[in-house]
Amino acid sequence: ETGVTQTPRHLVMGMTNKKSLKCEQHLGHNAMYWYKQSAKKPLELMFVYSLEERVENNSVPSRFSPECPNSSHLFLHLHTLQPEDSALYLCASSQNRDLSYNEQFFGPGTRLTVL
Amino acid sequence: AQSVSQHNHHVILSEAASLELGCNYSYGGTVNLFWYVQYPGQHLQLLLKYFSGDPLVKGIKGFEAEFIKSKFSFNLRKPSVQWSDTAEYFCAVNAGYGGSQGNLIFGKGTKLSVKP
Repeated sequence: ETGVTQTPRHLVMGMTNKKSLKCEQHLGHNAMYWYKQSAKKPLELMFVYSLEERVENNSVPSRFSPECPNSSHLFLHLHTLQPEDSALYLCASSQNRDLSYNEQFFGPGTRLTVL
Repeated sequence: AQSVSQHNHHVILSEAASLELGCNYSYGGTVNLFWYVQYPGQHLQLLLKYFSGDPLVKGIKGFEAEFIKSKFSFNLRKPSVQWSDTAEYFCAVNAGYGGSQGNLIFGKGTKLSVKP
């Protein structure tokens, strides 16, 4: 049990669908992250939230829309995705944004396939 | 731009062999360094981390890593691998500057296969 859970674990969607990925952390952390993990590429940071405020958006297309309603929950809303968006989407959390003292804890990921 | 290089894409070893996985980063200032492991079908887990102090860091499951600042390296080592070490290993660096204090830069990962 990592303390960070993600649902669903697998998702297949068409390019015209709208779906949402959910992340929940049970660690009392204040910072949450979305990453994209594609084959043979480094993990790509997508979004960072600190105390429920988005503090970073790494040039992610608008078809990905994050939401952080409280410090324990993070969503990634998906619409009109492309096949190249197929990847493993990882959620992570840390006590705060300062990684001089803290580490990130990762969830198991959602394996997304866009048809 | 910051980058992390992991030199080996796939390493195959027999049980009891020694392991060293290379990691180099491109940032000249203060860094925090991490090695994560992803076992098949499982989530990313922290193996070890370097924040400051002794550059030789010991982690879980007998792994260690050495921070050599002059070489911008943070290589992962284990004297004797086991079949259960089969996994993908990721090096990550936090440059800890400005507004990106929480950003980890990851390498592409090294897949380790240990033959029984």
